[in-house]
Amino acid sequence: GAVVSQHPSRVICKSGTSVKIECRSLDFQATTMFWYRQFPKQSLMLMATSNEGSKATYEQGVEKDKFLINHASLTLSTLTVTSAHPEDSSFYICSADLGGETQYFGPGTRLLVL
Amino acid sequence: AQKVTQAQTEISVVEKEDVTLDCVYETRDTTYYLFWYKQPPSGELVFLIRRNSFDEQNEISGRYSWNFQKSTSSFNFTITASQVVDSAVYFCALLRHNDYKLSFGAGTTVTVRA
Repeated sequence: GAVVSQHPSRVICKSGTSVKIECRSLDFQATTMFWYRQFPKQSLMLMATSNEGSKATYEQGVEKDKFLINHASLTLSTLTVTSAHPEDSSFYICSADLGGETQYFGPGTRLLVL
Repeated sequence: AQKVTQAQTEISVVEKEDVTLDCVYETRDTTYYLFWYKQPPSGELVFLIRRNSFDEQNEISGRYSWNFQKSTSSFNFTITASQVVDSAVYFCALLRHNDYKLSFGAGTTVTVRA
């Protein structure tokens, strides 16, 4: 099956620093990748849609200058949380679209901002 | 607008009991896809099933079964003879055909006690 990886799996950083999270489709090319955020005991909320070679589309309420998304190739999308603050602590999950109607999810990245 | 409602927040059962998870959705689209995902404590989303809006056949896969009824906009999921390993959060999701954006329900936490 289609495999999506994320790196790192967990990260702890100091407030004010930036953190980059990578999402890779390992055995397929993904024109579209999605980034979600999940707070404890809550559902997944779509943050943005990332398309290879073009600017990401952000959902309402998501600060594009704070959550920088780059989709440089058909197998890699990155999410950079800039000037992270404790309220950005969350579980970040990416998914990749194989071109059909099913998204394959990465294992997630737990971010803790101190 | 799309909306997925999982009214049950938590369900606790004893091993070997059956458990049914409810999912009600709202959409104006005629073409859409419904999903169920399992999220164990590790956090990774596990794909369980996809169903398109034109296929109302019920499906059984091992101990899992799904009942899709367009007339009531419901897509319920039943685990038969539950096991401790079934303990997880289960999400129902609705995918829009035109932009492939997923809307998740709030999730139902299932706890199976030995």
